[in-house]
Amino acid sequence: GENVEQHPSTLSVQEGDSAVIKCTYSDSASNYFPWYKQELGKRPQLIIDIRSNVGEKKDQRIAVTLNKTAKHFSLHITETQPEDSAVYFCAASMRGGADGLTFGKGTHLIIQP
Amino acid sequence: DAGVIQSPRHEVTEMGQEVTLRCKPISGHNSLFWYRQTMMRGLELLIYFNNNVPIDDSGMPEDRFSAKMPNASFSTLKIQPSEPRDSAVYFCASSFGGNSNQPQHFGDGTRLSIL
Repeated sequence: GENVEQHPSTLSVQEGDSAVIKCTYSDSASNYFPWYKQELGKRPQLIIDIRSNVGEKKDQRIAVTLNKTAKHFSLHITETQPEDSAVYFCAASMRGGADGLTFGKGTHLIIQP
Repeated sequence: DAGVIQSPRHEVTEMGQEVTLRCKPISGHNSLFWYRQTMMRGLELLIYFNNNVPIDDSGMPEDRFSAKMPNASFSTLKIQPSEPRDSAVYFCASSFGGNSNQPQHFGDGTRLSIL
């Protein structure tokens, strides 16, 4: 089955700096890669997703890049703000949102004021 | 619009008791997923349904776990008998599948503690 590795497990950045979280996946059949943000005690919330026919996608301060050949994808957050502090999860699946997601172990992002 | 609704939000029970978790997906969604979250194992898929039919239950830990989806607006996850190692947050998620492949939306979860 699919295996998703996520790094780093903890990331501390100064407010206003950029943050990058990286994930790799094992199954070349995976074609859908969402990112979720989870605040303490809350549900995971989708922040951005990308499909395998696209190399990059942006939404304001958030961007995701995908390298199908290397089987890795990354989340980029620019101009970080205190409210960006949370745990971020990457995931992969083979049939978009209709298939079960395999999640990475998460990255605890800490924004230092 | 109402999101995915789960009940109860919290459940504390003693080992050996039966536990039933409930989920109402977003109206119009035809895929439903049960996930479990623990510190040790992270977020794991337990089972999912497409159009009320179980598609993949390979993530269900053992025979003590069972899930049903009797109609498009309701699903249950049952643990019988419960054990302390079942303590976790259980999330239900739903999506609209088909050609558009919309993303999964999560409920607020059920925090389960087995004493």
